Amino acid sequence: AQSVTQPDIHITVSEGASLELRCNYSYGATPYLFWYVQSPGQGLQLLLKYFSGDTLVQGIKGFEAEFKRSQSSFNLRKPSVHWSDAAEYFCAVGAPRAVSTGTASKLTFGTGTRLQVTL
Amino acid sequence: NAGVTQTPKFQVLKTGQSMTLQCAQDMNHNSMYWYRQDPGMGLRLIYYSASEGTTDKGEVPNGYNVSRLNKREFSLRLESAAPSQTSVYFCASSAFSAFTDTQYFGPGTRLTVL
Repeated sequence: AQSVTQPDIHITVSEGASLELRCNYSYGATPYLFWYVQSPGQGLQLLLKYFSGDTLVQGIKGFEAEFKRSQSSFNLRKPSVHWSDAAEYFCAVGAPRAVSTGTASKLTFGTGTRLQVTL
Repeated sequence: NAGVTQTPKFQVLKTGQSMTLQCAQDMNHNSMYWYRQDPGMGLRLIYYSASEGTTDKGEVPNGYNVSRLNKREFSLRLESAAPSQTSVYFCASSAFSAFTDTQYFGPGTRLTVL
């Protein structure tokens, strides 16, 4: 079974500083990886996703993530953080659909990293 | 487009009461999902519906039932609420049930069971 680990529960950065949020996954086959962001009181919004090809993926709001198979990692980065980036960030791995059983695909989420931005 | 909508936004129940959480999407998506979010545990899948007319259990289905009323609507029912069901519930939808599909989330329902 797949799993996702986000080792940092809470991170604080200053506005304008760079950001890196860590994500490690465990999955037996080629992983399909996602980063979602959840603003306070809101649902989750997709930032970016990786399926194949270029290991550096660009997303919305100036975020990017790099897939490193050798390290089983998919870390999220932003060169300069804005106060509006304060939110909770979730990494997720997608499991392929079991065609034979007709079951739907599933996302397995990490426990999240809460980002605080100081002015 | 409203995307994914959920009602109610907040609800307080007493132990043993029942209620239904409503979810609707206007994106013509085939697949819909119910998750619960608990502190320190991320999101866990309760039930999902790969397509209209089908439903399947997720990771934590006990104490819940679902109905895929039509292509747009997917409801979650708690027949006899328990304090352990205090959580934030999210509905999501995706075009298909492929793992590559982006899931779009509703704003959530915050449920407290006393």
